[in-house]
Amino acid sequence: SAVISQKPSRDICQRGTSLTIQCQVDSQVTMMFWYRQQPGQSLTLIATANQGSEATYESGFVIDKFPISRPNLTFSTLTVSNMSPEDSSIYLCSAYGGSGANVLTFGAGSRLTVL
Amino acid sequence: AQSVAQPEDQVNVAEGNPLTVKCTYSVSGNPYLFWYVQYPNRGLQFLLKYITGDNLVKGSYGFEAEFNKSQTSFHLKKPSALVSDSALYFCAVRDERGSSASKIIFGSGTRLSIRP
Repeated sequence: SAVISQKPSRDICQRGTSLTIQCQVDSQVTMMFWYRQQPGQSLTLIATANQGSEATYESGFVIDKFPISRPNLTFSTLTVSNMSPEDSSIYLCSAYGGSGANVLTFGAGSRLTVL
Repeated sequence: AQSVAQPEDQVNVAEGNPLTVKCTYSVSGNPYLFWYVQYPNRGLQFLLKYITGDNLVKGSYGFEAEFNKSQTSFHLKKPSALVSDSALYFCAVRDERGSSASKIIFGSGTRLSIRP
């Protein structure tokens, strides 16, 4: 099954700054997904990242705030721009490739705290 | 658009008793259904899935789930609970039809607590 690595695993950031989260998959995948999770709560899909095209954002998420790059079939980045305390959350990268073609595998997550 | 509901925020069960965690869904086409588990300070782990075939699917750690099309449900079950089953459980759905056919939507989560 696919193995997904994310970094940083956690960070403390200042209000108004931006942070880029990196996601590396150990195999080629067509689609990658970025989710956000408040600790102990549900996952909310931010966007779908396809290689060679712009990311598709879910309602409530915009490219200016969460720009995504997908330069190749094994890598993606999510930037959280102009951060505020409301952006404090766990950001999860995922891709299909675990336990069968239809199963999403997740990275361990990046826990961001914005002061 | 697809949606999934977990009506119980928390389920409390005594060790050794059977457990059920409820999930209902809504899709326009045929559903792909999943259960994931999240232990404290750990990532999401896949438990089981229903794509097609037998309505009763078996997964990791002795868990199983029953797909019920008429009730649009996919409840997670285990015959005998263990204290180590205590965790946060998420039901998820993917609609095999439409413009959003590739994405998976998660329920709100149910915290399962097994008392010794």
